[in-house]
Amino acid sequence: EAQVTQNPRYLITVTGKKLTVTCSQNMNHEYMSWYRQDPGLGLRQIYYSMNVEVTDKGDVPEGYKVSRKEKRNFPLILESPSPNQTSLYFCASSFGDTGTQYFGPGTRLLVL
Amino acid sequence: DAKTTQPPSMDCAEGRAANLPCNHSTISGNEYVYWYRQIHSQGPQYIIHGLKNNETNEMASLIITEDRKSSTLILPHATLRDTAVYYCIVRVRGRDDKIIFGKGTRLHILP
Repeated sequence: EAQVTQNPRYLITVTGKKLTVTCSQNMNHEYMSWYRQDPGLGLRQIYYSMNVEVTDKGDVPEGYKVSRKEKRNFPLILESPSPNQTSLYFCASSFGDTGTQYFGPGTRLLVL
Repeated sequence: DAKTTQPPSMDCAEGRAANLPCNHSTISGNEYVYWYRQIHSQGPQYIIHGLKNNETNEMASLIITEDRKSSTLILPHATLRDTAVYYCIVRVRGRDDKIIFGKGTRLHILP
């Protein structure tokens, strides 16, 4: 089944403790992206990647890192999480020619 | 800033057609209009997209004005399960870069 998976789905952590949220897709998509969603603010793009080893900043990249060493994986790294990074995070992927994005189920993060 | 403007919320009676508008007055000639929806806090789901011709699939119809500055997503027979936030975005198909979603329209289907 074609899908985008994220892990973990729920995470509670403390300020400053490094964490990684994994994202994987099995559709051989070139484009992958991370979004965060906060009440009243809609979906905001954090980082995106057009292919392996190619990443770029979205609208809200501060405090986040990403890497794209393999086509299927696009982890989101919070080196030193802060409470303002408490949010619902979505990973998405798409095949370049269609532009249609497939979203993962989301990761709900709480930073204390 | 989002390239699209949508009303924050709309109501529609169950069984009636839901017409969701979207303004994209600065759309470029090679930008497509995409519609997604998000039910509760699930991952957004693709609905439909188009360039300039009207499009229809099993979920919805997309009507794009001749000048391409606005479009309407039509859910022909809305059900309670269509209650969701609907997002209209514009992007260049085949060129993957920054995507701006905006806040979408919260559609309430009334029984």
